[in-house]
Amino acid sequence: NAGVTQTPKFQVLKTGQSMTLQCAQDMNHNSMYWYRQDPGMGLRLIYYSASEGTTDKGEVPNGYNVSRLNKREFSLRLESAAPSQTSVYFCASSEKVGKKVYEQYFGPGTRLTVT
Amino acid sequence: DQQVKQNSPSLSVQEGRISILNCDYTNSMFDYFLWYKKYPAEGPTFLISISSIKDKNEDGRFTVFLNKSAKHLSLHIVPSQPGDSAVYFCAASTYAGGTSYGKLTFGQGTILTVHP
Repeated sequence: NAGVTQTPKFQVLKTGQSMTLQCAQDMNHNSMYWYRQDPGMGLRLIYYSASEGTTDKGEVPNGYNVSRLNKREFSLRLESAAPSQTSVYFCASSEKVGKKVYEQYFGPGTRLTVT
Repeated sequence: DQQVKQNSPSLSVQEGRISILNCDYTNSMFDYFLWYKKYPAEGPTFLISISSIKDKNEDGRFTVFLNKSAKHLSLHIVPSQPGDSAVYFCAASTYAGGTSYGKLTFGQGTILTVHP
């Protein structure tokens, strides 16, 4: 049981390049999330997927797109990377039963540098 | 507008003493609060949570207190251990159904250092 896995762990991009961050979870969770962590800012929600087939914008969605490929996988795409997107990216998943929301489980993160 | 704030960037405590980490929020719609712990180069891990219908929740050495009127919560760690040294994030959410559920709003984090 690996929990939440993310690939790659590290990436360096040049301005204007594109890339996709991959995330997968094996806990059969319905909901998945993408966050970015910047110094002094905590974690900020980029996009989330409440269930398979749905995606919604979070607090900082500009410059990103997402795909909920299936129940397990949720990818984050940067179409044209900018230096402001240099950050650590975390994927998370959680379960919801009725109206009760359970805690989110996080992956180990992807450290992205855009030069 | 920072809806969840941790005003202390860092806290230093002696082993065996109490660590108190604080968190304030502004959005009165928040009704579920969580604390996460993060080690370097790892993802955050869930520590403890509290619903707005309670004012205290305990789990071993960790206790979270919620003061709804003051929109303030705190995490107490007793006794503190060197292995507790990490970044602690508080987060807030709403229970409500629909597409807004489960979204977490995080504070900036507090670096806790526990000295042997």
